[in-house]
Amino acid sequence: GNSVTQMEGPVTLSEEAFLTINCTYTATGYPSLFWYVQYPGEGLQLLLKATKADDKGSNKGFEATYRKETTSFHLEKGSVQVSDSAVYFCALLYSSASKIIFGSGTRLSIRP
Amino acid sequence: DSGVTQTPKHLITATGQRVTLRCSPRSGDLSVYWYQQSLDQGLQFLIQYYNGEERAKGNILERFSAQQFPDLHSELNLSSLELGDSALYFCASSVEGNPPPLHFGNGTRLTVT
Repeated sequence: GNSVTQMEGPVTLSEEAFLTINCTYTATGYPSLFWYVQYPGEGLQLLLKATKADDKGSNKGFEATYRKETTSFHLEKGSVQVSDSAVYFCALLYSSASKIIFGSGTRLSIRP
Repeated sequence: DSGVTQTPKHLITATGQRVTLRCSPRSGDLSVYWYQQSLDQGLQFLIQYYNGEERAKGNILERFSAQQFPDLHSELNLSSLELGDSALYFCASSVEGNPPPLHFGNGTRLTVT
C-alpha cells in the first residue's frame, strides 16, 4: 500500500545550519507530495507541495524536489532559524484516494 | 489562523465515558477530515466527510463515530473510552472532496484517566 517514511527525530541544529529532513514514499502511480509543519500548540500547516516528478516546492526558504527515480521528497533549508523549530510531516496524496497519508513526523529544534 | 475551529481545546475524562468533539470547517470547505495524533502512532487518518456524506474511512475504531451536519460542522464521538485513546484529535477541512491543501484546526487534547 501507499506509505511515507521520514527520518526519525529529534533533529537538533544550531542557528544558520543547513537542514535536510529525509522523506521517501511508496506508492503506485504518481502521487502528490507535501510537507506540513506543526508549530507548538497548533495544527498542521501546509509548507510546500509538488504534484509531479521533478517539481520543486518552495516556501519560507524551504525546498523539496519530487524525485520519482528515488521515490524521495527531502526537505532542505540553507540556513535555519530558531523560529523553524517545529515538527515536520511529509505526506502524500494518491489521486484515486481522498485522504492524505502522513509520515510519523520529525521534530526539529534549533539552538540560538 | 486556518479558519477551522475545534472545541473544546482540552478534555479530561475517565475510562468508560463518552465524549463528543466538535469541528467547524473553514468557510466554503465541504470536506472535513478527522485525524488522531498520539506519541507512539503519529498522525492517523480516522474518517472523512464530504458535504454530509462519509467519503473515506481510515483507522477508526468501532467505538468511534462521526457525522457531518447540514451546516457542514462535524462531530467525532468517542465512546467506552480507554487510556490509549488519550491523544490530540485534529480536524481538517478542504474545498472539494480531494485535498489539498488541508486546513487544520488547533486540535482537541483528550486525556483519559
